[in-house]
Amino acid sequence: AQSVTQLGSHVSVSEGALVLLRCNYSSSVPPYLFWYVQYPNQGLQLLLKYTSAATLVKGINGFEAEFKKSETSFHLTKPSAHMSDAAEYFCAVSGNYGKLTFGQGTILTVHP
Amino acid sequence: NAGVTQTPKFQVLKTGQSMTLQCAQDMNHEYMSWYRQDPGMGLRLIHYSVGAGITDQGEVPNGYNVSRSTTEDFPLRLLSAAPSQTSVYFCASSPKGGPSYNEQFFGPGTRLTVL
Repeated sequence: AQSVTQLGSHVSVSEGALVLLRCNYSSSVPPYLFWYVQYPNQGLQLLLKYTSAATLVKGINGFEAEFKKSETSFHLTKPSAHMSDAAEYFCAVSGNYGKLTFGQGTILTVHP
Repeated sequence: NAGVTQTPKFQVLKTGQSMTLQCAQDMNHEYMSWYRQDPGMGLRLIHYSVGAGITDQGEVPNGYNVSRSTTEDFPLRLLSAAPSQTSVYFCASSPKGGPSYNEQFFGPGTRLTVL
C-alpha cells in the first residue's frame, strides 16, 4: 500500500522568505510523485511531477522539488515567497491506473 | 478542449435523498476517478474506472455507486445521502500512456451539503 505524509498542516512565512513544504511517501514500486496547489474555493492545479527522469523537478510559479530516494522524501521549495502563493498544497503518489494517494495537505500563509 | 467538467457546482440535499454528480472529459482518457475532499484529510479515492464498462472501488466507496457506459462520462450516484457525505467532490481523468501518463486532470469540483 502507498501512503503520503505531509509534515505540518499549517506553514507560515514572511513575503520574500524561503518556502519549504515537507512530504514523505511510502511506495512498494518506483513512484510517480506530484505536488498540487489549491487556491481558495478552486480546483487542484498541478505544480510539478516527478517521473524518474530527474531528481530535481522544476514546476510552475518558481516552485521546485527534489526526489530523495534514501529519505523517501519529495519536499517542495520556493526561494522567495509571494503573497499570491498563499494556498493549500497537496503531495500525492501515483498508483496503478493513475490513482492518487494524497497527503493531508499543508496550508501556506504568507505574511507581508 | 473543455478538459474535465462537473455538474452541478453546488448542491444541497436532505438526508435520504439520492442524486447523481455528473463528470465528463473530452481528452479521450482511459482512466477516470472520483475523489472526495474533507478538511485535514486531503483527497480520498471513492471509485475509479479503467475504461468503459470497468469500475472498481477506492478507499471510501460506501454509499456511492458508479458506472461507465462511455469513455467520456463517469457519473457518481449517491444512493441515500447522509450528513457524512457533505464534502467537495472532484472527478479526474488520466491517460493510459504518453507524456502525461499517470498525471490526473481534475475537474472544478462539486460542493455538496447534506442536511
